[in-house]
Amino acid sequence: SQQGEEDPQALSIQEGENATMNCSYKTSINNLQWYRQNSGRGLVHLILIRSNEREKHSGRLRVTLDTSKKSSSLLITASRAADTASYFCATDHSGYSTLTFGKGTMLLVSP
Amino acid sequence: ETGVTQTPRHLVMGMTNKKSLKCEQHLGHNAMYWYKQSAKKPLELMFVYSLEERVENNSVPSRFSPECPNSSHLFLHLHTLQPEDSALYLCASSLGLDTQYFGPGTRLTVL
Repeated sequence: SQQGEEDPQALSIQEGENATMNCSYKTSINNLQWYRQNSGRGLVHLILIRSNEREKHSGRLRVTLDTSKKSSSLLITASRAADTASYFCATDHSGYSTLTFGKGTMLLVSP
Repeated sequence: ETGVTQTPRHLVMGMTNKKSLKCEQHLGHNAMYWYKQSAKKPLELMFVYSLEERVENNSVPSRFSPECPNSSHLFLHLHTLQPEDSALYLCASSLGLDTQYFGPGTRLTVL
């Protein structure tokens, strides 16, 4: 299976702290994306990083990609209670017509 | 708002009922997807339509029947469902394999 695996499964932090989530995958990718899902709602795209990129920023988000280790990390800096959600990585593998989503990390940010 | 709408947002049906879920996008995308999200399970891809043709059907039971009459609309017809089919059904659309835009989902309960 090409399915990505997020780590940790759940993360609980205080407001203002940084949150780091990791994603590992098994076969080579064209790009890797991170999505966020609030409880019971649809997923929202956060950021896309291509296989030839190593780091990307968007606001308080920083994504890194290490293709040699087949892993990516999502860092949320200065977290807020509103960041509470599930975060998924999704990978685009050559030869596959769709993205492959991981199981997600549940992030809880307490005020 | 992602530009992808789904109706209804909530649906309760008996095992003998026939119902349909509707998804609509006016983003100019050329691919549409149905996903199933059950509690504590990864996002499961059910169907993919690219340019209105079905390109992938991940061994979904025949009691789920998709229909894509044009590039903006996608339906999921449901009949004789089982209680284990209760889940959040998400529709998404994309232009190629870059970013998928998700609808808010339909919460389905099968009694």
